[in-house]
Amino acid sequence: AQSVTQLGSHVSVSEGALVLLRCNYSSSVPPYLFWYVQYPNQGLQLLLKYTSAATLVKGINGFEAEFKKSETSFHLTKPSAHMSDAAEYFCAVTEGTGGFKTIFGAGTRLFVKA
Amino acid sequence: EAGVAQSPRYKIIEKRQSVAFWCNPISGHATLYWYQQILGQGPKLLIQFQNNGVVDDSQLPKDRFSAERLKGVDSTLKIQPAKLEDSAVYLCASSLGEGRNGYTFGSGTRLTVV
Repeated sequence: AQSVTQLGSHVSVSEGALVLLRCNYSSSVPPYLFWYVQYPNQGLQLLLKYTSAATLVKGINGFEAEFKKSETSFHLTKPSAHMSDAAEYFCAVTEGTGGFKTIFGAGTRLFVKA
Repeated sequence: EAGVAQSPRYKIIEKRQSVAFWCNPISGHATLYWYQQILGQGPKLLIQFQNNGVVDDSQLPKDRFSAERLKGVDSTLKIQPAKLEDSAVYLCASSLGEGRNGYTFGSGTRLTVV
C-alpha cells in the first residue's frame, strides 16, 4: 500500500528565499504524484503533477518538483518566496493497483516572513 | 468552467444531531470523492463514487455516515448521529477519470459539533 511522508509540519522562510518542502512516498508500483496548496478556508488546489513523463515538473505560481525514484522523493521547490505563497501544502500519491486510490500527506504549513 | 460546488460552508450542531452536506461536481466528471480533513491533518478519503456506484467506502464509518450519488451527478453526505470527533472540514472533489491527473476540490464545509 502506498504512503506519504511530509518532513516538517511547519516551514518558515524569508521573502525572496528558496522554498523547499519535502515529500517522500512509498508505492509498490510506479506512482502518480501531486502537490496541492490550500489557502485558509478554501479547498485544495492542484499545484503540479507527475504522471511518468518528465521527472522535473513545473506547476503554477513558479513552483516545481522533481521526481527521484532512487530516493522515493518528490520535493517541492520555488526559487524565490513571495508573501502570497503562505499556505498549507499537501503531497499526494495515487497508486493504480486495484483501482486508483489517492493518499495525502499530513501537510506542511509555509510561513513567509517579510 | 464552474468549479465543484459545496453547501453549506459552515455548520454548527450539537452532538447526536444529524447533518447533511451537498456537493455538485464539475460537469462531466464521472468520479466524485468525499474527504474528511481534521484540523492539522491531511484529507482522508471517506467514499469514492464512479458515476452513481460506490468504488471505495472502506473508511466510511457506516454506523453513522451515509452518502449517495443519485443519477451520477450531485451527492449528499449525511452524519447521524454526530459525535464531537466529527468536527472537521468535509471536502468534496471530482475528477474526469480515475484521478490520475489530479482532483478538483470544492471549498469544503466546516462542521463544528458541540
